[in-house]
Amino acid sequence: ELKVEQNPLFLSMQEGKNYTIYCNYSTTSDRLYWYRQDPGKSLESLFVLLSNGAVKQEGRLMASLDTKARLSTLHITAAVHDLSATYFCAVANYGGSQGNLIFGKGTKLSVKP
Amino acid sequence: DSGVTQTPKHLITATGQRVTLRCSPRSGDLSVYWYQQSLDQGLQFLIQYYNGEERAKGNILERFSAQQFPDLHSELNLSSLELGDSALYFCASSVGGGSVPFFGQGTRLTVV
Repeated sequence: ELKVEQNPLFLSMQEGKNYTIYCNYSTTSDRLYWYRQDPGKSLESLFVLLSNGAVKQEGRLMASLDTKARLSTLHITAAVHDLSATYFCAVANYGGSQGNLIFGKGTKLSVKP
Repeated sequence: DSGVTQTPKHLITATGQRVTLRCSPRSGDLSVYWYQQSLDQGLQFLIQYYNGEERAKGNILERFSAQQFPDLHSELNLSSLELGDSALYFCASSVGGGSVPFFGQGTRLTVV
């Protein structure tokens, strides 16, 4: 059974600082997604990582994937208040199905001035 | 706006009742997924349909059922509701099983 673990679950940062969120998963998969969710809102797709060594960047966020270690990271550079949200990683589950996502518990990020 | 439409946005109902949540996928998307989000369980995958057929089942209770219609919209039926069923229910859609799922705004269900 595919399990996805994120850490930390809560992250309080100061503006201007850097930090990394980690996502580990238990079985082989070839797709990993990062989503952002604002309180009470929908999930917004941020990145899709498809292969070992994949790196994608958008603004102050950079995501990477190491399929051998079954690890993805979401790196935040020079955080700003607008980045405050909950970030989820999700891994595609192909065990008998096609494409449904298994989510981590999410990392609640709070960026303070 | 992801293009995935869910109705209603909010629903308050009593224990023991039955409700139906509706989802219209993005134009061209054949796959529909249902997820339940609660504080204690996080985001739980419930069920997936592809072009009208059930493709995968997750942690979906027997009191819950779903279907995808020929026009590709989907409905999630929740019956014999319990307080613990209170949650945010998301629908997502994608072109196929391997492409990025886009999420709707969710239906917030409150069982009282």
